[in-house]
Parts: sequence; C-alpha cells; structure tokens
Amino acid sequence: QLQLQESGPGLVKPSETLSLTCTVSGASISSRSYYWGWIRQPPGKGLEWIGSIHYDGTTYYNPSLKSRVTISVDTSKNQFSLNLNSVTAADTAVYYCARAGYYYYDMDVWGQGTTVTVSS
Amino acid sequence: SYEVTQPPSVSVSPGQTASIPCSGDRLGDKYVCWYRQKPGQSPMLVVYQDKKRPSGIPERFSGSSSGNTATLTISGAQALDEADYYCQAWDINTGVVFGGGTKLTVL
Repeated sequence: QLQLQESGPGLVKPSETLSLTCTVSGASISSRSYYWGWIRQPPGKGLEWIGSIHYDGTTYYNPSLKSRVTISVDTSKNQFSLNLNSVTAADTAVYYCARAGYYYYDMDVWGQGTTVTVSS
Repeated sequence: SYEVTQPPSVSVSPGQTASIPCSGDRLGDKYVCWYRQKPGQSPMLVVYQDKKRPSGIPERFSGSSSGNTATLTISGAQALDEADYYCQAWDINTGVVFGGGTKLTVL
C-alpha cells in the first residue's frame, strides 16, 4: 500500500531555510504516471499548493512562492524534498506531501502532514 | 493568476442533499477534483475529473461541471459528512489551484 511520510524540523528561525523530505513507500517514485507535490495549510486556513515534481526532474511551482522554493527528487531513496528559503511567520503551516495524477493533478494519496513553526 | 471560489459554509439537514459550488472563469473547460478534510486529518480525494469517484467513496458523492461552475453533491447527507470540502483545478499558468474551502454542517 502506497504511503507518504513527511519529515524535517518542526521549528525554523525567521530568514532561514525550511527543509522537508517526503519518503514514498509501497511504490516507486519513478513512475511516468504521477507527479509528487507539496501543499501547505496555515493554522485555521485553506490549502495552498507549493509545487510539484516528476521523477524526471520536471517541476512546477506556485507563482507566488516560486522565487523561494526548490523541489528536488532522489529516485535512489524514493524521496522528494522541499526547500523554502527566507521564511517568515507567514510560512508557519502544516506541510503535506501528496501524489498527483500526471495529467489532471488530482492528489489521491497524502502524507499525514508535518507542522512547521517559524519562530525565533 | 487563475482563481476558484467557494462559499465559506453550507448547511444541510440530515438525509437531504448538499450542493457545494466552485466557480471560476470557464471552469467547465478544466477538470475539477474535490477533497474532504476532517479536523486534524489530511485531505481525502472524493471526486476527480469532475465526476469520477475513487475506490471506497460512497455513491452518494457525485460531481458535475459546466460553464463557470463545478458542483459537489452529497445525497442523503449524514453527520459523518461534516467536514471542510475543497475544490481544485489545474491552470496552465498558475498550476494547481485550490478553492478556499467550504465548511459543511449537517444539522
């Protein structure tokens, strides 16, 4: 059964870089049929797409975050990662990773989410 | 940038039909999917490609889309259907776009 698990620091200082990893188990990340994405949800607010990556390295980013975001993939470890730099308190959120269909980006499998707080 | 809009809340009586709209410019030209999110849980896909249901989602969940509006319909609403519901589309310029979410209350 496919499972996704986010990992990384729960506390990041302002102006530093938020780094998270999503480990995929139960299936290969090297599938032509899917993208792998990051989504976040600030406390009490809605979902915000951050970006997505294909195993071949193709990436798409939210235009509002593009200047600060890098998503990468490590097929040997069956993982993909998120780096978000120059964070502020507004980046405090639950961060989810998810699998998305290649053509229509419907996200059918989600991780449990990890809470990241930006604070000094 | 492309945007989709949902009402903040919808209420329905138990056993009745709930309809949650999602609107956007020419949204009917794009595929829409819907997620249900209960408190403290990850979102769950309940409808994809406008009207398809993933395995395990009850038949009382259905979707439709035309013109500028997509709609998630829940027939015979139950207390366990209380949740936040999000629509999502893909735009070639903006990427993945989520609606702001609709809180469904069954009372």
